[in-house]
This record gives sequence, C-alpha cells and structure tokens, in this order.
Amino acid sequence: GQSLEQPSEVTAVEGAIVQINCTYQTSGFYGLSWYQQHDGGAPTFLSYNALDGLEETGRFSSFLSRSDSYGYLLLQELQMKDSASYFCAVRARGGGNKLTFGTGTQLKVEL
Amino acid sequence: GAGVSQTPSNKVTEKGKYVELRCDPISGHTALYWYRQSLGQGPEFLIYFQGTGAADDSGLPNDRFFAVRPEGSVSTLKIQRTERGDSAVYLCASSLSPGKNGEAFFGQGTRLTVV
Repeated sequence: GQSLEQPSEVTAVEGAIVQINCTYQTSGFYGLSWYQQHDGGAPTFLSYNALDGLEETGRFSSFLSRSDSYGYLLLQELQMKDSASYFCAVRARGGGNKLTFGTGTQLKVEL
Repeated sequence: GAGVSQTPSNKVTEKGKYVELRCDPISGHTALYWYRQSLGQGPEFLIYFQGTGAADDSGLPNDRFFAVRPEGSVSTLKIQRTERGDSAVYLCASSLSPGKNGEAFFGQGTRLTVV
C-alpha cells in the first residue's frame, strides 16, 4: 500500500516563501505530483517529479529525493489567491496516472 | 467541451436509493479516473479506465459501486442501495496518456448527499 504525510496547515504572509513537505511510503514508486485545490473547486495539477531534483514552473517549484522518500512544494512570492489546499500524490507503477493522495495541507496567506 | 464535465453538480438522495453520476472527459483522453473526496481529506482512488475497460477497480469499496465507460468516452459511476457513508464529493479525472507525467485533469465533482 501507499501512505503520505504532509502538514495539515501552513500560514504565511503575502510576498513570502513557503515550503510544504511530503513524505511517502510506497511500493513501485514512479513519481510525485502536486495539486492545488481551492474550496469547492477541482484539484488542479501543479507539478510532477519522477527524478531527483528540483522542477521549476514560474513561482512554484517542486523537489524530490527518491532515496529519502521525500518531496516538497515551494511557493514563492505568495499571493492571496494562493490560499488553498495543496496535495502531494504518489504515482505508482502499473496504474497509469492513478494517484494516491495525501490528506492535504491548507495554506493560508495573510496580509 | 474544454474541460472535464460532471453531472449533476449536486445530488441528494434517500438512503437505499440508486444513483448514477456522469463524467464527460476531455475529448481524446483515453484514460479516465473516478475518485471520492470526503471533507478535509485528499481524493481517494476508486477506478481507472483505459479506453472502454476498467484497468484497475481496486478502489471500489464494495459491490454496491460499479462504473462503466461503454464507448471509451463518457463514464457513469453507479451506486446501489446508497448509505449515509457514501456521502462525499465524487471526482472524475481524465488524462491524454495513461503513462505520462502524473497529470490528470479533474472535473468540479458531484456532491452526493445521502439522507
């Protein structure tokens, strides 16, 4: 089976940088995805790491260490609209893009 | 349409009734996924279709749940003898290829309430 851990809540101020960590336990690990979900909205894909290292997409970056079963999402220049839930999700071998999600981190951005 | 469409957006049903939830994926997406999300939790995998066939239905909680995708496009999730514990948001997602880059496109979901 698979399990993922991430902090339940993070608070930061507008313009700051925040890091959301994710540790996972899985067999047949293929990659780690990150999704954003606003209240009442659909999860929206942010990034995916299959290999160790940092992937950068605009203000968002994601990091993976396969040996440590650990990844993080880095959000820079925080904006109020970034207030949302952020989920890490494991993609395992043999399941297409079937994803196992963590319980999510609620990010609150304050003025 | 431009995105994944799910209908209805809200469904209230009485315990013991049968419900059908519809998902219309992005045109051309061969892979389709159903998830269930309870309040404060991440989406929980239910079933994955590749084309018309269910490639993985390991997440279906019991035999009251069934899903079809007869023509490889629209999918219907069917729940028999609904229970109050089935109340959740049911999310559908699709992707262009089953094996690429961890990206799936989600619909807005159907909020099912069993009373």
